[in-house]
Amino acid sequence: SQQGEEDPQALSIQEGENATMNCSYKTSINNLQWYRQNSGRGLVHLILIRSNEREKHSGRLRVTLDTSKKSSSLLITASRAADTASYFCATYWLEESNSGYALNFGKGTSLLVTP
Amino acid sequence: NAGVTQTPKFRVLKTGQSMTLLCAQDMNHEYMYWYRQDPGMGLRLIHYSVGEGTTAKGEVPDGYNVSRLKKQNFLLGLESAAPSQTSVYFCASSYPVGGYTFGSGTRLTVV
Repeated sequence: SQQGEEDPQALSIQEGENATMNCSYKTSINNLQWYRQNSGRGLVHLILIRSNEREKHSGRLRVTLDTSKKSSSLLITASRAADTASYFCATYWLEESNSGYALNFGKGTSLLVTP
Repeated sequence: NAGVTQTPKFRVLKTGQSMTLLCAQDMNHEYMYWYRQDPGMGLRLIHYSVGEGTTAKGEVPDGYNVSRLKKQNFLLGLESAAPSQTSVYFCASSYPVGGYTFGSGTRLTVV
């Protein structure tokens, strides 16, 4: 069962624009993580935000977490064609899920950045 | 800095055949995982391990078995392959509650 639900499912923007993806989840979490997957490749860890953190930055990435709304957002500033990929949020539940104590992944947002 | 290595990268099986997917990590991670990724389904956990000699079932364990005899290796076995097991399989490893390092995947087709 997927814990996180990304929104939108697909996003198309031009180079230089900002891209915002959202993730909602249902259960109390230990942390929330964002991953990128280029077509045909494995997932790459981007950023981890703990439940007691509200915002985190890494280069052109900005992640926010609102535990009261059970939601997170990933902002990519000044997008480049190389940012074209699928982006997944994943959550570690505080309680054991039907995935044990492993990450629960959403279905992802497909981002297309055109030159 | 190899990270997580999966072998093979591609495989075609006939229904009923068996095979083993190998995952090896060189980061001394305690936890290792096997996921499958299907179109529109995201990643679903098959089995995972929190240490050498231990394994546990994930969300979709039926038809698969695993073993973790050495800390650095996590094997996924299909005893009798079915077309429903056609998928892309990813192995990952991590420290407890940490970020995952993924392998590049195994694309399996069962005909």
